Amino acid sequence: EAQVTQNPRYLITVTGKKLTVTCSQNMNHEYMSWYRQDPGLGLRQIYYSMNVEVTDKGDVPEGYKVSRKEKRNFPLILESPSPNQTSLYFCASSPGQGNRETQYFGPGTRLLVL
Amino acid sequence: GNSVTQMEGPVTLSEEAFLTINCTYTATGYPSLFWYVQYPGEGLQLLLKATKADDKGSNKGFEATYRKETTSFHLEKGSVQVSDSAVYFCALVYSSASKIIFGSGTRLSIRP
Repeated sequence: EAQVTQNPRYLITVTGKKLTVTCSQNMNHEYMSWYRQDPGLGLRQIYYSMNVEVTDKGDVPEGYKVSRKEKRNFPLILESPSPNQTSLYFCASSPGQGNRETQYFGPGTRLLVL
Repeated sequence: GNSVTQMEGPVTLSEEAFLTINCTYTATGYPSLFWYVQYPGEGLQLLLKATKADDKGSNKGFEATYRKETTSFHLEKGSVQVSDSAVYFCALVYSSASKIIFGSGTRLSIRP
């Protein structure tokens, strides 16, 4: 089954404790991205990657890191989480970067930073 | 800059009512427009899309027409069902498509 998977689905952590949220897609998509969803703000793009070893900042990159060492994986790293990073996070992928491409979303990771 | 504005929710309707969720956009060039739907506890999934002016996207009884003259992409459905209860996001993708911009989402609740 074609899908985007994220782990963990739920995470409670404390300020300053490094964490990684994994994202993997099995559709051989070139383009992957991370979003955070906050009430009243919709989805905002954190980082995106157009291919292996090619990443760039989205609209809200502060406090986050990403890497793209393999085509299928695009982990999101919070080196020193803070309470304002409490949010619902989505990973997405699409076949390419043309503006007709549909994005395929993972199920989401709900993060609480205490 | 580029932006998407959706009508505020929540929207509550009775089953079989007519639905309109307004979406307007600001963009340079010729963006593609999308409606995504998020059911409770799930990620977003594509509902429909339109890639050029006057195109109509349709799926599951929902429709939206890309209106360049009014910079709008309003979502409509003639007769809603309880199963349509979800959050709906309008989005645009422009230029190189490295960037996708979402509206703030509209929560729809349908009463039996």
